[in-house]
Amino acid sequence: GDQVEQSPSALSLHEGTGSALRCNFTTTMRAVQWFQQNSRGSLINLFYLASGTKENGRLKSTFNSKESYSTLHIRDAQLEDSGTYFCAAEAAGKLTFGDGTVLTVKP
Amino acid sequence: EAAVTQSPRNKVTVTGGNVTLSCRQTNSHNYMYWYRQDTGHGLRLIHYSYGAGNLQIGDVPDGYKATRTTQEDFFLLLELASPSQTSLYFCASSDAGTSAETLYFGSGTRLTVL
Repeated sequence: GDQVEQSPSALSLHEGTGSALRCNFTTTMRAVQWFQQNSRGSLINLFYLASGTKENGRLKSTFNSKESYSTLHIRDAQLEDSGTYFCAAEAAGKLTFGDGTVLTVKP
Repeated sequence: EAAVTQSPRNKVTVTGGNVTLSCRQTNSHNYMYWYRQDTGHGLRLIHYSYGAGNLQIGDVPDGYKATRTTQEDFFLLLELASPSQTSLYFCASSDAGTSAETLYFGSGTRLTVL
């Protein structure tokens, strides 16, 4: 979406490595969510953040509302991490999605 | 875990056809949403609702109507389907306005308009 700019659009990682995905916002957002869309097309909640940092296993996400960005860090990537990752930012009761990052994890 | 059920899973119709997509959530969430997902566009919000009888316009509402008949049920209506509405449709719900605002998605409905 225009208000949510997600990068990179595609990313390839070898197993065991890591990287960061980023979302920049063109307006002040109240909260951000991150989702993974798996190979079956299902959208899985990863994080909801109104501020600060959350960590869950090999994933860590940060939301800086003042500087209008959020990041999702993946470490020790596994084959099952492959999929499309979306951020979605909330303002005025409505979520706007980024266009996604297609992550491919290779052996 | 929140449960959001969409039906049908797949639907094929012809141009000008009348289609209703159904969504039911069983967790008493107040907000419900309809999104469409197309290659190169991510998910785009069509309509949403914050309670029974309420309807809010999303970002891409043209050609779609929606109705929230109960807290649980949210329907998306295509009264004159067009090929441009061929897409993957997702319904979602959330407890917006509370401390547990995570969005929960259904499994999607793939609609093909011939």
